[in-house]
Amino acid sequence: DARVTQTPRDKVTEMGQEVTMRCQPILGHNTVFWYRQTMKQGLELLAYFRNRAPLDDSGMPKDRFSAEMPDATLATLKIQPSEPRDSAVYFCASGLQLNTEAFFGQGTRLTVV
Amino acid sequence: GDSVTQMEGPVTLSEEAFLTINCTYTATGYPSLFWYVQYPGEGLQLLLKATKADDKGSNKGFEATYRKETTSFHLEKGSVQVSDSAVYFCALTSGGYNKLIFGAGTRLAVHP
Repeated sequence: DARVTQTPRDKVTEMGQEVTMRCQPILGHNTVFWYRQTMKQGLELLAYFRNRAPLDDSGMPKDRFSAEMPDATLATLKIQPSEPRDSAVYFCASGLQLNTEAFFGQGTRLTVV
Repeated sequence: GDSVTQMEGPVTLSEEAFLTINCTYTATGYPSLFWYVQYPGEGLQLLLKATKADDKGSNKGFEATYRKETTSFHLEKGSVQVSDSAVYFCALTSGGYNKLIFGAGTRLAVHP
């Protein structure tokens, strides 16, 4: 059963610490999205990759956030330094270029205290 | 830019009631339209989709028709169940790179 895998599922960290979230897209998918979900803002698109190249990261605070795809089986989202306002659920999703639906992971719930 | 607007929730219904969740969009070109569902503690799952005007997407008793003239994609179900309680998101793909843009989500609560 193919699925998007995100780790960790939950992360509690202190303000100022570095946080790295990982995503394994579905094998063969060439499009990867990172979303942030909060009660206040809903689902926000942070970054978007196709064939491992970043296409759009305009939704991401550049000073502290970075997103990469070291290889086709791994996407990472890093926050350094983390702040309490970064507390949210972060979702990764993957899809195929010719099939525009996206498949979501179960998310990483981040709490910054 | 392209955007999606959904009716605010929560929507509270009794079991077997008729459901409508409104969704309108703004987009250049010809987007594909989607409804996703999110159950508590889980990620979003695709519920249905439509890729061109007048297409009807359907799944699990839910339906939505792509209306280009009214830029709408309203979600309907004839008889809801308690198990349909979830948050429903309308979405579209935007631009040449098919960026997926979501509405704010509508929470549905169905009571026995």
